[in-house]
Amino acid sequence: EVQLVESGGVVVQPGGSLRLSCAASGFTFDDYTMHWVRQAPGKGLEWVSLISWDGGSTYYADSVKGRFTISRDNSKNSLYLQMNSLRTEDTALYYCAKEGSSWSSLDYWGQGTLVTVSS
Amino acid sequence: QSALTQPASVSGSPGQSITISCTGTSSDVGGYNYVSWYQQHPGKAPKLMIYDVSNRPSGVSNRFSGSKSGNTASLTISGLQAEDEADYYCSSYTSSSTLHVVFGGGTKLTVL
Repeated sequence: EVQLVESGGVVVQPGGSLRLSCAASGFTFDDYTMHWVRQAPGKGLEWVSLISWDGGSTYYADSVKGRFTISRDNSKNSLYLQMNSLRTEDTALYYCAKEGSSWSSLDYWGQGTLVTVSS
Repeated sequence: QSALTQPASVSGSPGQSITISCTGTSSDVGGYNYVSWYQQHPGKAPKLMIYDVSNRPSGVSNRFSGSKSGNTASLTISGLQAEDEADYYCSSYTSSSTLHVVFGGGTKLTVL
C-alpha cells in the first residue's frame, strides 16, 4: 500500500524558515517524480514544486521560486521542502504527492502538514 | 501564472448527469493530453479520478468520464450519487517556462 506521510508543519513568523519532510513507502520511491502541492485555508489547490526521480530536475511555481528548495533522499525514501523567507501568504496545508505513470498526474497524496506563517 | 478556469459551482439531482468544464490555453489544456481531474471531500486529500484527459485509474467508477475539445477539458459524472458531492479540480501539464503543473480554481458539486 502506497503511503505518503508529511511532517514539519508548525507556526512560524514571517521571514522565518521551515523544512517539510515526506516519508514514502509502498512503492519504489526512486522510480518516480515527486511533487509538493499546497492549499490555503478555504482555497483551491496550488502546485508548488516537483523533483525528478534522481533529483536532477526541479521546477517551482513563480510564487515560491528563489525561496523554496525541493530535494529528495532516495536512500531514505524521503522528500523535502526547504522553505525560507516565509510570508503570510505561504500559510497552507502542504501535500506531497507521487506522480503517476503519466506526466503531471498525481496518483497518491499524503494527508498534508499545516504551515502557518503569522506574527 | 493563471489558473485554469472552472465554474465555481454546479449542482444536480441524484441519478442525473453533470459536466464540469476546465478552460485553459494552447500552452496547457489545448496543447497536451495531460489533463487530470481530482475529487476532494472536506478535510480529505485530493483523489485522482481522471488522467490523460479520459483515463480512469483502477478503482474509479465508470460513472466518471473525461474529454477535451480545443482548450477546454470536461469531467462528466453520470448517475449522480450523494457521495459525489465534493470539490473537483482539473490540472494540466503546462509548457510555461517555470510552471510545470497548473490547477483549476475548483468546482463545488452539490447533489440536491
